[in-house]
Amino acid sequence: ELKVEQNPLFLSMQEGKNYTIYCNYSTTSDRLYWYRQDPGKSLESLFVLLSNGAVKQEGRLMASLDTKARLSTLHITAAVHDLSATYFCAVPYSGGGADGLTFGKGTHLIIQP
Amino acid sequence: DAGITQSPRHKVTETGTPVTLRCHQTENHRYMYWYRQDPGHGLRLIHYSYGVKDTDKGEVSDGYSVSRSKTEDFLLTLESATSSQTSVYFCAIGSNQPQHFGDGTRLSIL
Repeated sequence: ELKVEQNPLFLSMQEGKNYTIYCNYSTTSDRLYWYRQDPGKSLESLFVLLSNGAVKQEGRLMASLDTKARLSTLHITAAVHDLSATYFCAVPYSGGGADGLTFGKGTHLIIQP
Repeated sequence: DAGITQSPRHKVTETGTPVTLRCHQTENHRYMYWYRQDPGHGLRLIHYSYGVKDTDKGEVSDGYSVSRSKTEDFLLTLESATSSQTSVYFCAIGSNQPQHFGDGTRLSIL
């Protein structure tokens, strides 16, 4: 059974600080997705990581994938309030993901001035 | 934004009543999914479809059925709703690419 674990589940940090969210998964996968969700809203795709060693960056967010360690990280650099949201990682049940995704429980991130 | 419309957006109903949620897409995508989101659980897959009349169960399919008679529509039915099915339900489309999600249906069962 595929399990996806995120930590921390809750993170309160100050603006300007750096932090990393971790996503571990239990079975082999060559791809991983990161999503953002604002309160009461839908999920927005942030990153698609398709191979071992993949690194993607968008603004103050950078995601990486280590398929051998079954670990992905989402790094936040010099956090700003607008990045406050819940972040999810997700891994396909199998192969390309046609049979759906398994999500972590999410990291609720609050960035305070 | 991917053309995904969920209806209704909010619904309150009583235990034991049937409920049907609709997901409509304009992307002509083959794959469609239903997830539920509950505090402390992230999103969990209920059912998915890989084509018209082709569906399969996900992680939490008990108490739910689905139908897909047209490419654009994927229906989720709770035959006899229970309070444990109170949740936010999301429809998604796509595979091998990031799945795109609808805006969700907030369902409360009293």
